[in-house]
Amino acid sequence: AQSVTQLDSQVPVFEEAPVELRCNYSSSVSVYLFWYVQYPNQGLQLLLKYLSGSTLVKGINGFEAEFNKSQTSFHLRKPSVHISDTAEYFCAVRPKAAGNKLTFGGGTRVLVKP
Amino acid sequence: NAGVTQTPKFRVLKTGQSMTLLCAQDMNHEYMYWYRQDPGMGLKLIYYSVGAGITDKGEVPNGYNVSRSTTEDFPLRLLSAAPSQTSVYFCASSLETLALFGGAGELFFGEGSRLTVL
Repeated sequence: AQSVTQLDSQVPVFEEAPVELRCNYSSSVSVYLFWYVQYPNQGLQLLLKYLSGSTLVKGINGFEAEFNKSQTSFHLRKPSVHISDTAEYFCAVRPKAAGNKLTFGGGTRVLVKP
Repeated sequence: NAGVTQTPKFRVLKTGQSMTLLCAQDMNHEYMYWYRQDPGMGLKLIYYSVGAGITDKGEVPNGYNVSRSTTEDFPLRLLSAAPSQTSVYFCASSLETLALFGGAGELFFGEGSRLTVL
């Protein structure tokens, strides 16, 4: 079984400041890693994913994440946030074997202040 | 492109009532999922389906039922609504054959159905 822990439930940040959202996971098998974003009153959409290869992954809207296998982490970063980045962010994992399901973290709510 | 469509968007039920949340996707995805989202708890998988006629339980299936008669549709039934089922429900789909070719079967989500049980 897998588990995902997002260490911060809420992160307030000022516009144009950097932000880092922390994600740690636990799994006995190799996994794919994802970050999803949920804007207010909308469904989730994929921000970025790590499948293999380079541990630094770039996603949409200027976000990037770094996979650290030894620390079983997949932290999400953005160097300069905008008001429009106000949303909830979910880290998720799934085993690499086909047909397995996503396990989500509890989410981190990011509030960007002017 | 419609993607994943959920209806209704909002519904209020009384304890003991039954109802069906509808989900349809037009991407010809094999896999479909129902999640519930509760504050601070992330998303929990209720049921999923790997193709027409095949369904299986997720983490929190009690009080729910599903069927998958077509590739496109995956309705979720609440058998006898309870206040603990007050939640936001999300349907999602994925093209799992991508996983066989090094992909990861990205999930596509609907906009959610907000259910309140009084």
